[in-house]
Amino acid sequence: GAVVSQHPSRVICKSGTSVKIECRSLDFQATTMFWYRQFPKQSLMLMATSNEGSKATYEQGVEKDKFLINHASLTLSTLTVTSAHPEDSSFYICSARAALAGVREQFFGPGTRLTVL
Amino acid sequence: AQKVTQAQTEISVVEKEDVTLDCVYETRDTTYYLFWYKQPPSGELVFLIRRNSFDEQNEISGRYSWNFQKSTSSFNFTITASQVVDSAVYFCALSVPSGSARQLTFGSGTQLTVLP
Repeated sequence: GAVVSQHPSRVICKSGTSVKIECRSLDFQATTMFWYRQFPKQSLMLMATSNEGSKATYEQGVEKDKFLINHASLTLSTLTVTSAHPEDSSFYICSARAALAGVREQFFGPGTRLTVL
Repeated sequence: AQKVTQAQTEISVVEKEDVTLDCVYETRDTTYYLFWYKQPPSGELVFLIRRNSFDEQNEISGRYSWNFQKSTSSFNFTITASQVVDSAVYFCALSVPSGSARQLTFGSGTQLTVLP
């Protein structure tokens, strides 16, 4: 199957700093990428949908100025958590859908565990 | 709007027992896709199966089997002869192609623990 990578896999940062997480589709072009957040023992919650070359669509309750998403190319989307606080500590997962594909073709990255001290 | 319910929060079984994980979904769309994912302690989601709404045939893959019942809006997952390595969180998910983004709606997950 198609491969999606995320970098870094783990990050620990101080409160108030910004953290950037990269999501790459390694062997296919992804017109759409999704960003999820998963708190301990909870389900994946969609944060935003990112389309290449356009602004991301954020889910209700997700602050777009705090979680900056950039989908500058067909293989890369980035999520920047700005001015991170301890409550932002979570597991962030991206997924990518291939160009012209339907719902069947969505591939998940391995996730990034963010800890804000 | 779509909704997926996994009523079982945690299940514990002893190795070699069979176990069924329940999934009930809600959607007004007649075309939709159902998924099961496994999330081991490492966190990475492992795709297990995808089913479209027009295919009600049950599926078996090794020790895994899935029972899709449109009449009850359920898509249950059974592991036969469970093994310790099956211990993980299992998520059921739903997607509809009518939505512009075709995003996945996840259930709350079921934590399966298989004891040796």
